[in-house]
Amino acid sequence: DTAVSQTPKYLVTQMGNDKSIKCEQNLGHDTMYWYKQDSKKFLKIMFSYNNKELIINETVPNRFSPKSPDKAHLNLHINSLELGDSAVYFCASSQVSSEAFFGQGTRLTVV
Amino acid sequence: AQSVTQLDSQVPVFEEAPVELRCNYSSSVSVYLFWYVQYPNQGLQLLLKYLSGSTLVKGINGFEAEFNKSQTSFHLRKPSVHISDTAEYFCAVVAGNNRKLIWGLGTSLAVNP
Repeated sequence: DTAVSQTPKYLVTQMGNDKSIKCEQNLGHDTMYWYKQDSKKFLKIMFSYNNKELIINETVPNRFSPKSPDKAHLNLHINSLELGDSAVYFCASSQVSSEAFFGQGTRLTVV
Repeated sequence: AQSVTQLDSQVPVFEEAPVELRCNYSSSVSVYLFWYVQYPNQGLQLLLKYLSGSTLVKGINGFEAEFNKSQTSFHLRKPSVHISDTAEYFCAVVAGNNRKLIWGLGTSLAVNP
């Protein structure tokens, strides 16, 4: 039974399109995150939600908008996709000051 | 501000040799420390963590790490590596009750036969 699941696993799309990535956790955690991992493996936090409330919003283009319908779900919507958005996006969840549990990642390729 | 430095970006090693992956952090408050492993084309998996108590922490797959407060380090060790340990290893820190994990840039461990 997957703890943190995100869909889709692969996403290939054209520049200018709008796409969404979904994430769900069944661990009962209060906090969820979106990370971006670039080709050099650097992990950059994008957003964090705690009980549906946005608590971390790093310097991310406005084209990226997270939505948390409930504390078990955190979706990421991306408008007007650009080539530089190509990366692996990871969803994660945790309790306060404890380890994060990661999804398997969504590899986004913008062509 | 907190930061994490992984001193080696790449570590090549032969199978069955010992390995140490170095991690140093900076923080003025108490910290929780983590090592994660990322196998090719997979997500990140927790290897081990230090929250409190014994400074020597044992994790999965035969890895262990030692928290050294005076040197602000949390180096990861394994006495004998396998080919299957080839992966990216990330050190991460949470300071106090901050929810934000601070990540190192990762160390790529390549185990050669």
